[in-house]
Amino acid sequence: GENVEQHPSTLSVQEGDSAVIKCTYSDSASNYFPWYKQELGKRPQLIIDIRSNVGEKKDQRIAVTLNKTAKHFSLHITETQPEDSAVYFCAARVLYNFNKFYFGSGTKLNVKP
Amino acid sequence: GAVVSQHPSWVICKSGTSVKIECRSLDFQATTMFWYRQFPKQSLMLMATSNEGSKATYEQGVEKDKFLINHASLTLSTLTVTSAHPEDSSFYICSAPPYQGATDANTGELFFGEGSRLTVL
Repeated sequence: GENVEQHPSTLSVQEGDSAVIKCTYSDSASNYFPWYKQELGKRPQLIIDIRSNVGEKKDQRIAVTLNKTAKHFSLHITETQPEDSAVYFCAARVLYNFNKFYFGSGTKLNVKP
Repeated sequence: GAVVSQHPSWVICKSGTSVKIECRSLDFQATTMFWYRQFPKQSLMLMATSNEGSKATYEQGVEKDKFLINHASLTLSTLTVTSAHPEDSSFYICSAPPYQGATDANTGELFFGEGSRLTVL
């Protein structure tokens, strides 16, 4: 099956700074890469996603980049705010076998005011 | 967006008993649902894929007889933890893509239920 690795596991930044989280995947059949934000005790919420035919996508302060050749994708958050503090998960969807989603290990982001 | 509802949110049971968790798609039909398990401060581990009208497919290392999955209808999947033990205590969360059977790269967002926190005493 797919193997998604995520780094770093924890990340502390000062309010206003940028944060970058990186993920790698193993299965070249993966074609969709979402990023989820999960607050304590709550369900994950999609914040941005990217398809395999796109190299970069931006939505206000959040951007995602994808390098298919290297099999890695990254989340970039600019001008971080305290409410960005949460756990972030990357995921990869495999385009076969029920389109399963496999998740990275998560990054706990702490934005210090 | 699509709504997935999961119950119960919290359940405490005695060791040796069985617990059933329900996952419903409220505004769309789900032929496929995914069940994940999340340990504290850890990632979402895919346990199994629930398929309406056929048997669930389990990930490697997941005990089929321990975690029984039934996809009774196009809007309901259940996970039953049988003969629960303290090591089964965890956060279980279901999810479903609203665009079922899609292979188009332009679809595929996954919607999650609220999750169920199981504590086995």
